[in-house]
Amino acid sequence: RKEVEQDPGPFNVPEGATVAFNCTYSNSASQSFFWYRQDCRKEPKLLMSVYSSGNEDGRFTAQLNRASQYISLLIRDSKLSDSATYLCVVNSGAGSYQLTFGKGTKLSVIP
Amino acid sequence: DVKVTQSSRYLVKRTGEKVFLECVQDMDHENMFWYRQDPGLGLRLIYFSYDVKMKEKGDIPEGYSVSREKKERFSLILESASTNQTSMYLCAIGTGSIAYEQYFGPGTRLTVT
Repeated sequence: RKEVEQDPGPFNVPEGATVAFNCTYSNSASQSFFWYRQDCRKEPKLLMSVYSSGNEDGRFTAQLNRASQYISLLIRDSKLSDSATYLCVVNSGAGSYQLTFGKGTKLSVIP
Repeated sequence: DVKVTQSSRYLVKRTGEKVFLECVQDMDHENMFWYRQDPGLGLRLIYFSYDVKMKEKGDIPEGYSVSREKKERFSLILESASTNQTSMYLCAIGTGSIAYEQYFGPGTRLTVT
């Protein structure tokens, strides 16, 4: 079974802290990788795509290691508004439009 | 911006009722998906569609069917609702770009009593 594994947390961090989430995926044929953010009782929203070269969007940095089948998300200078569940997501195989979702890592940023 | 709407935010139905959940997109995207999300189980794919009148089973299709008569509309049908179908139902559209990202509607929280 093709899966995406994440530490469920919760991660409780103070404002201003740096926090990192990791995820592993089992399908070596996966080609597309994402982090989604989901607020309580809301729909998941695309946070960022993850590229082999690594990519950054403001305080957020995503990294992909294809050899180890490992994806990471780093959040710098955490804000209260970053509190949410972060879902690691990969496509389900070469050319597949289906996505496989991790169960999420819960982050709480405390004042 | 991609916009996905779902017919209801909250729905309460009785066991045995036939339930229709509707999803509408405002763009011309081919790929549409229905998921359910339950605590501890994450998002699970029920059905998806690549085009009008085309459908494919996902991981948990039992007890569900779908209909896609028009490109912008993808319906999920619970033929005879049961209490174990109480869940959050999420519709998503895939933009079909190389990156395969999906965008979700606001979800329907269905309670079957």
